[in-house]
Amino acid sequence: DTGVSQNPRHKITKRGQNVTFRCDPISEHNRLYWYRQTLGQGPEFLTYFQNEAQLEKSRLLSDRFSAERPKGSFSTLEIQRTEQGDSAMYLCASSPGQGDTGELFFGEGSRLTVL
Amino acid sequence: GQNIDQPTEMTATEGAIVQINCTYQTSGFNGLFWYQQHAGEAPTFLSYNVLDGLEEKGRFSSFLSRSKGYSYLLLKELQMKDSASYLCAVVDSNYQLIWGAGTKLIIKP
Repeated sequence: DTGVSQNPRHKITKRGQNVTFRCDPISEHNRLYWYRQTLGQGPEFLTYFQNEAQLEKSRLLSDRFSAERPKGSFSTLEIQRTEQGDSAMYLCASSPGQGDTGELFFGEGSRLTVL
Repeated sequence: GQNIDQPTEMTATEGAIVQINCTYQTSGFNGLFWYQQHAGEAPTFLSYNVLDGLEEKGRFSSFLSRSKGYSYLLLKELQMKDSASYLCAVVDSNYQLIWGAGTKLIIKP
């Protein structure tokens, strides 16, 4: 396993369309995170899974955003009825879970452009 | 509220030394990370401090003072490839990462 994998790497869509991103974490990692990042800012927390359970979701997150991790392995992030303000880099990260320092291993990100 | 402050941008010369500061105010403290992020790429881990003092790793060192809510990242013998953003992130009492906006470091020949 070479690391966290995300796809697609780039997505251009028209406003109002739905998009879905996929993240494959490092295989032995229990925790999976989704972040959003815009230019000149640090990552903004969206949601977090421990195995298949979604333990936390940002209060700032619109109902148009939903994430799943059905078998505790890969995860998907769906954005419905996209808006131009959704344009950002969507980062997935994983960590081992219990006993670790909290270091996150990031994927390469999925860049979304909403026209 | 929770807050991480770091300079927006810094400029340094190839071969020199640069110190990037980070101050934080968070609900609890369970460690501080420094990540490096090149433009258009994902953040990569540089260092982790949970106890006061200096952690050295090659050309990079990170310092923490918990009583002052302060950390710095020290980069020595700067190389052009060190041009990147450097992100400070604190683990709060809920074991969630609180991120700074990052410091863009520009290296000039």
